[in-house]
Amino acid sequence: AQTVTQSQPEMSVQEAETVTLSCTYDTSESDYYLFWYKQPPSRQMILVIRQEAYKQQNATENRFSVNFQKAAKSFSLKISDSQLGDAAMYFCAYRSAFVETSGSRLTFGEGTQLTVNP
Amino acid sequence: GAGVSQTPSNKVTEKGKYVELRCDPISGHTALYWYRQSLGQGPEFLIYFQGTGAADDSGLPNDRFFAVRPEGSVSTLKIQRTERGDSAVYLCASSLNGGALHEQYFGPGTRLTVT
Repeated sequence: AQTVTQSQPEMSVQEAETVTLSCTYDTSESDYYLFWYKQPPSRQMILVIRQEAYKQQNATENRFSVNFQKAAKSFSLKISDSQLGDAAMYFCAYRSAFVETSGSRLTFGEGTQLTVNP
Repeated sequence: GAGVSQTPSNKVTEKGKYVELRCDPISGHTALYWYRQSLGQGPEFLIYFQGTGAADDSGLPNDRFFAVRPEGSVSTLKIQRTERGDSAVYLCASSLNGGALHEQYFGPGTRLTVT
């Protein structure tokens, strides 16, 4: 079974600064997808960024980028120019590419609560 | 267009009672997922529907939990003989189909409190 670990329960950053959230995962599969989701107090999970394991290039979405290290099974999220609206719980998640055998579920980490200070 | 909706938003029930939680997926999405999120934890998978059938129910914790999707659209998660440990936020998500490439869109969840 796959596991996802987020070792930082809480992080804080000053507005306009950069912060990096850490995530490690464990899997025996060769092909999979990794995600970062944001969950504000409204509870609705919002997809921030996605990385396909077969792609060497790190994904980028505006101020959000990832550092994907496949051999180390590490997948960190960097938020640049942090804004007050970035404050939320962030979850790292794993999804197998082999839905026929491993199912279509997302496996989530424990989350990191990000505070943005003005 | 409309996103995933869940009703009720909050539900308080007494231990031992039966509850039903409803999920309305995005129109045209054939795949539907239920997750449970306990306080301070990440969501945990419960069940996945492809169309009307449960393609994967391996995450249901015990036989008190059951879910249906009779017409391939709305789904209902049913919990019998509720226990205090069932208190959590129950999240529903839908996607175009069950393929790994397709994004799962989440609803706002139902917060269940068992007293």
